[in-house]
Amino acid sequence: DVKVTQSSRYLVKRTGEKVFLECVQDMDHENMFWYRQDPGLGLRLIYFSYDVKMKEKGDIPEGYSVSREKKERFSLILESASTNQTSMYLCASSQRLAGAGETQYFGPGTRLLVL
Amino acid sequence: ILNVEQSPQSLHVQEGDSTNFTCSFPSSNFYALHWYRWETAKSPEALFVMTLNGDEKKKGRISATLNTKEGYSYLYIKGSQPEDSATYLCAFRNSGGYQKVTFGTGTKLQVIP
Repeated sequence: DVKVTQSSRYLVKRTGEKVFLECVQDMDHENMFWYRQDPGLGLRLIYFSYDVKMKEKGDIPEGYSVSREKKERFSLILESASTNQTSMYLCASSQRLAGAGETQYFGPGTRLLVL
Repeated sequence: ILNVEQSPQSLHVQEGDSTNFTCSFPSSNFYALHWYRWETAKSPEALFVMTLNGDEKKKGRISATLNTKEGYSYLYIKGSQPEDSATYLCAFRNSGGYQKVTFGTGTKLQVIP
């Protein structure tokens, strides 16, 4: 069973704080993703990584950075949290499979409130 | 940013009714189309991945079809049950670039007992 875990389910931070969201997967997946989910907007990709130390911007990378020092761990960093970053953050991972359409496995989400 | 649309946004059906909803995606450079189910307070879980035009997939009372030429997929639920209540997400991957997908905004289904 694939397991994707996220460091916190709920988090409250103040504007301007540096925030770290951690994600760990136990299935040796190459690909890892960070999304945010907002009402009416669906899941939007912030950053993804297809290998250790590799990262690619998604559709909404502004205000975020990521780190992937180990294959199983993908961290999302809010350099200076702002109220418009209040959201649900979901991490996902997938195996790299040529020609098959890789299924993503999701963590439970972190609901972040920035005051 | 790719345009992936789902309709309707939300849906209420009576227990026992059958229902269906749509995912529209770009018809060029198709690679794969995924369906996920997202129940409240849980993580999204994969239902189907479809890669070929004309694909039909089935899991119990839920099935999906794919038309890559016109850029749409239908998800069908036969004899809806309260436990089918969830948001159903489709995700489109094109053939260029890296292994990322674009999600639709989802269809929220509520099955009324």
